[in-house]
Amino acid sequence: NAGVTQTPKFQVLKTGQSMTLQCAQDMNHNSMYWYRQDPGMGLRLIYYSASEGTTDKGEVPNGYNVSRLNKREFSLRLESAAPSQTSVYFCASSPGTSGGRGDTQYFGPGTRLTVL
Amino acid sequence: AQSVTQPDIHITVSEGASLELRCNYSYGATPYLFWYVQSPGQGLQLLLKYFSGDTLVQGIKGFEAEFKRSQSSFNLRKPSVHWSDAAEYFCAVRNNDMRFGAGTRLTVKP
Repeated sequence: NAGVTQTPKFQVLKTGQSMTLQCAQDMNHNSMYWYRQDPGMGLRLIYYSASEGTTDKGEVPNGYNVSRLNKREFSLRLESAAPSQTSVYFCASSPGTSGGRGDTQYFGPGTRLTVL
Repeated sequence: AQSVTQPDIHITVSEGASLELRCNYSYGATPYLFWYVQSPGQGLQLLLKYFSGDTLVQGIKGFEAEFKRSQSSFNLRKPSVHWSDAAEYFCAVRNNDMRFGAGTRLTVKP
């Protein structure tokens, strides 16, 4: 039982390049999330998926797209990377759906992305 | 809109000393509150959570937190800090989505 896994761990991009961050969970969770973490700002929600086939915007969705490929996998795509997207990206999952405010979120180890 | 404030960016305590990390929230309804810990280079791990009932909640690793509605606070405490507790701590509140505080970095002096 690996929990939440993310690939890659590190990535350097040039401005304008695209890439996809991968996330998978093996806990049979319904909801999955993408956050970015910037110094002094905590974690901010980019997108989330309350169930397979649904996605919703979070606090900072601009410049990103997501795909809930199946129940296990939730990818985050940067179509044209910008230096402002330099950050650490965390994927998380939780057992319930978006209505469960008490749902515990389990986090992956993160992807450190640098955009030059 | 909901928000979370952690007033202390960085705290240093001696090993064996007590610890209190502050968290204040702004939220209209009954809050769902969480404390997470992040060790260097790692993801976040849940320490404890509060939904309702007893206002003093126990978590893992000897941590506890007290919900005080009148002060809109959910402070994290530990009676005796260990060197392995050095990490960053995040308070969070959840309505439809989770909002995190900016974090408090804890340094433990030997």
